[in-house]
Amino acid sequence: GQQVMQIPQYQHVQEGEDFTTYCNSSTTLSNIQWYKQRPGGHPVFLIQLVKSGEVKKQKRLTFQFGEAKKNSSLHITATQTTDVGTYFCAGRLRDSSYKLIFGSGTRLLVRP
Amino acid sequence: SAVISQKPSRDICQRGTSLTIQCQVDSQVTMMFWYRQQPGQSLTLIATANQGSEATYESGFVIDKFPISRPNLTFSTLTVSNMSPEDSSIYLCSVLKLQGISYEQYFGPGTRLTVT
Repeated sequence: GQQVMQIPQYQHVQEGEDFTTYCNSSTTLSNIQWYKQRPGGHPVFLIQLVKSGEVKKQKRLTFQFGEAKKNSSLHITATQTTDVGTYFCAGRLRDSSYKLIFGSGTRLLVRP
Repeated sequence: SAVISQKPSRDICQRGTSLTIQCQVDSQVTMMFWYRQQPGQSLTLIATANQGSEATYESGFVIDKFPISRPNLTFSTLTVSNMSPEDSSIYLCSVLKLQGISYEQYFGPGTRLTVT
């Protein structure tokens, strides 16, 4: 079946360091979405990427969608303690089901 | 965006019993889904809740165990039947909504279920 792999599983950084999580799909996606889940919370929608090669920025966060629409990345510049949480990518399949397939998530811990 | 509420927010249940979780959205949405998130894990799609017809279940999930209703465009229920400790999870309602020219998907706050 379709899979979405995400690495790394954990990342522990010093506040101010950069952070990147990578997402790779076994199949070409229609689009990809990124979510942040704080400890004890639910996934919160961050952004959606639709176009091949698309790059979007939200303040210190930069999201990229690969040319083949099979991979994506989230980069955080100069992490802050408020960035702590688990970041999930989720790929939308190229069929009529509208299903989202979630990556395994990257848990980010930030040392103050 | 969409404002999604779920009831109950958490529950502790005895094995062998059933629990029905409700999901209410503040506006009409294109699609509604139910996900499960086991402790420390990612989200797994249980089923797509179809309005007025039987839900579409993913591999490994069956209607007898997880009956779903969606009587209208803003409300759905998920029942976890004949519960066992392995059903202890967070159950999340999710909706797909048209925003401009694209669809975006949002999640409810979840129902944290513990089965003893």
